[in-house]
Amino acid sequence: DAMVIQNPRYQVTQFGKPVTLSCSQTLNHNVMYWYQQKSSQAPKLLFHYYDKDFNNEADTPDNFQSRRPNTSFCFLDIRSPGLGDAAMYLCATHRADNEKLFFGSGTQLSVL
Amino acid sequence: AQSVTQPDIHITVSEGASLELRCNYSYGATPYLFWYVQSPGQGLQLLLKYFSGDTLVQGIKGFEAEFKRSQSSFNLRKPSVHWSDAAEYFCAARMDSSYKLIFGSGTRLLVRP
Repeated sequence: DAMVIQNPRYQVTQFGKPVTLSCSQTLNHNVMYWYQQKSSQAPKLLFHYYDKDFNNEADTPDNFQSRRPNTSFCFLDIRSPGLGDAAMYLCATHRADNEKLFFGSGTQLSVL
Repeated sequence: AQSVTQPDIHITVSEGASLELRCNYSYGATPYLFWYVQSPGQGLQLLLKYFSGDTLVQGIKGFEAEFKRSQSSFNLRKPSVHWSDAAEYFCAARMDSSYKLIFGSGTRLLVRP
């Protein structure tokens, strides 16, 4: 059974049109991450939460925002997607006292 | 700056042959080290991890990795590769004082029949 679920699996949006990607987890993990992975590249950390505490990477564009309304859900909002934002977006979680990271299957974002 | 380097972009091996994927890290101290595998269009799955202690760690799917402090390396090995092992492999590291996991650029493994 999937424990970290990302919806949708594929998302197509238009240049400049806001888009939201979602991640939910059934593991009750307090740490959640959003990674961006472009084709043939390593995943790049955008931000992470420790419970409600939000941590933004210094090089994450302002165009990217995140919300975590509760432990189970986390959202990635891209306010004005550009062509360069087309990528796979990966959500991951783990318990603070356990190093095992659980990844979702990702959302592949296309920008037209 | 902290970094993880995987010098091989692609590796091709024959099924049944042994495999070694290289990983080097650059940190001020020994970080926590991980190997992940990613099949096309999928998320990442943890193969194994090293925190401390025995420098040879065993993972899932018959993989193992050896930590060598003197070489700042954490190479992944498998004695006999199966066709199903074809995937992208990522080495990753983080310091114990941070939740930030830094990935290497990945090595794509191709398996010849």
